Amino acid sequence: NAGVTQTPKFQVLKTGQSMTLQCAQDMNHEYMSWYRQDPGMGLRLIHYSVGAGITDQGEVPNGYNVSRSTTEDFPLRLLSAAPSQTSVYFCASSYSGTRDEKLFFGSGTQLSVL
Amino acid sequence: GNSVTQMEGPVTLSEEAFLTINCTYTATGYPSLFWYVQYPGEGLQLLLKATKADDKGSNKGFEATYRKETTSFHLEKGSVQVSDSAVYFCALNSLGGSYIPTFGRGTSLIVHP
Repeated sequence: NAGVTQTPKFQVLKTGQSMTLQCAQDMNHEYMSWYRQDPGMGLRLIHYSVGAGITDQGEVPNGYNVSRSTTEDFPLRLLSAAPSQTSVYFCASSYSGTRDEKLFFGSGTQLSVL
Repeated sequence: GNSVTQMEGPVTLSEEAFLTINCTYTATGYPSLFWYVQYPGEGLQLLLKATKADDKGSNKGFEATYRKETTSFHLEKGSVQVSDSAVYFCALNSLGGSYIPTFGRGTSLIVHP
């Protein structure tokens, strides 16, 4: 079982560049989400989706876009990268996003913006 | 709103020492509570959970009890190993429109031989 797959694992960007962080899951999960992890800040939710065609903003959505055209994929787009977006990004999913469910996490993407 | 407060780290222990990592929460509604663990260079994975008051979650020698009266879910282990060195996150799921998990800031545990 592949679980939640994130690509790339590492990325270096220059300020102003755009890129897409990929996230795919093969567990038929309806709920998918993106977090960023910064030292001393824990995990902060960027965007989430409760099914194909449905997305919503989390705690820190500015500078990021998402779409959910299929159940399996949930890409995160950085429109114009800024040094403040240097972080480790995690994609996570669960079957239906209900109260008792755990999240399955990808292994993360370490992004540096110069 | 929902929030989770964890003790700040790092927590540094010798092998075979007793571990407690404190976690308290505030939540609208009746949450489920979780502990996740993050080993170096990896994503988070579930360590244990509890879904109702007085439930005890346990896994790999770790335990935590859902205490509704004190709104706490402290993580304990009787004898830690070097391999337990990781970052531990307390989290809750509670209804707020939809079930969006709320995480604490994480506590780093370092275990020395």
